[in-house]
Amino acid sequence: GAVVSQHPSWVICKSGTSVKIECRSLDFQATTMFWYRQFPKQSLMLMATSNEGSKATYEQGVEKDKFLINHASLTLSTLTVTSAHPEDSSFYICSARASAWETQYFGPGTRLLVL
Amino acid sequence: AQSVTQPDIHITVSEGASLELRCNYSYGATPYLFWYVQSPGQGLQLLLKYFSGDTLVQGIKGFEAEFKRSQSSFNLRKPSVHWSDAAEYFCAVVSGKGSNYKLTFGKGTLLTVNP
Repeated sequence: GAVVSQHPSWVICKSGTSVKIECRSLDFQATTMFWYRQFPKQSLMLMATSNEGSKATYEQGVEKDKFLINHASLTLSTLTVTSAHPEDSSFYICSARASAWETQYFGPGTRLLVL
Repeated sequence: AQSVTQPDIHITVSEGASLELRCNYSYGATPYLFWYVQSPGQGLQLLLKYFSGDTLVQGIKGFEAEFKRSQSSFNLRKPSVHWSDAAEYFCAVVSGKGSNYKLTFGKGTLLTVNP
């Protein structure tokens, strides 16, 4: 299947700093990318959907000014957690698909720990 | 709204035993259904999907799932479990329309395999 990568795989940062997570589709062009958050022993919670060249659509309750999403190219989307706080510590997973109704492929996830 | 229920939070089976993981969905029309597997600290890997046609779907790693409209179910099965199958399993249904479709996940079932 198609490959989606994330970088970094884990990051530790101080409270108040910003952290950027990259998501890349390695062997296909992703018109749509998704960002999920997963708490321990829980399901994936969709944070936002981004289409290349457009502003991201955020799910209800997700702060768009805190979780900045950029989808500038067909192979790259970034999630920036601004002014991170300990409660932002979580496992962030990105996903990408080539077009509507195509299979969604998931990245390996990024574990964020905010001290 | 579309939803997915995985009634079993945790299942333990012995290696070599058969496995069935339950998934029930709520959706007005013909659903598009998926099963994903997540190993610890990893992203999600697609096991199989159902869009239409044959209601018995074959996937990777020897898994299969059967779509039963009358029961609103899409249960995942494997005739003989291997220790490497220990992981978290998520059932998902497509919601939304056209290019705005997105996956709604169940809460997952953790599979433990005893030697």
